[in-house]
Amino acid sequence: AQKITQTQPGMFVQEKEAVTLDCTYDTSDPSYGLFWYKQPSSGEMIFLIYQGSYDQQNATEGRYSLNFQKARKSANLVISASQLGDSAMYFCAMRGSNYKLTFGKGTLLTVNP
Amino acid sequence: EAGVAQSPRYKIIEKRQSVAFWCNPISGHATLYWYQQILGQGPKLLIQFQNNGVVDDSQLPKDRFSAERLKGVDSTLKIQPAKLEDSAVYLCASSLLGGGGAFFGQGTRLTVV
Repeated sequence: AQKITQTQPGMFVQEKEAVTLDCTYDTSDPSYGLFWYKQPSSGEMIFLIYQGSYDQQNATEGRYSLNFQKARKSANLVISASQLGDSAMYFCAMRGSNYKLTFGKGTLLTVNP
Repeated sequence: EAGVAQSPRYKIIEKRQSVAFWCNPISGHATLYWYQQILGQGPKLLIQFQNNGVVDDSQLPKDRFSAERLKGVDSTLKIQPAKLEDSAVYLCASSLLGGGGAFFGQGTRLTVV
């Protein structure tokens, strides 16, 4: 069984500062993928970043980076230089060997001016 | 490249009525997912298709929900009869068989009154 845990219901950050959103996971699959999605108040689910379990380097996409620590089973999202438009729900998700995509409960990020 | 298309965007029905949602995935994406997202929660997987076969439907309430993907392309999700607790956003997503990101449609917001 796959499980994703996001322990931060809400986070606040000042504009232009960096913020880390926590995600831990549990799986028995030897191969898996980790994802982060952004869901603004409009409701669309926007794919941000992907990390494969065998990838040697942490994934980066612009201001987003994924801090992957395999031994700790964590896949934290780091957003650098926060912008007001980053205010949204953020979901961590995992896909196992059967391609089942499981989501955490999400973290509501608020960026303050 | 066209994204995942879903219709309708919004639907209001009375309890005990039936409703159907449609999803057309990104061209070439073999894997298709239907999720239910209740307000304030993370998406919950209802059913996952690989081409036109069901990979996982363990959380689909089969007494009232059904889904099909007959030709391995577009898919429909049906609820019959609807209950008040079915009020949610129904999200469709698709991905390539080999991995990478799963991409979502804009969702259908269902209100059961």
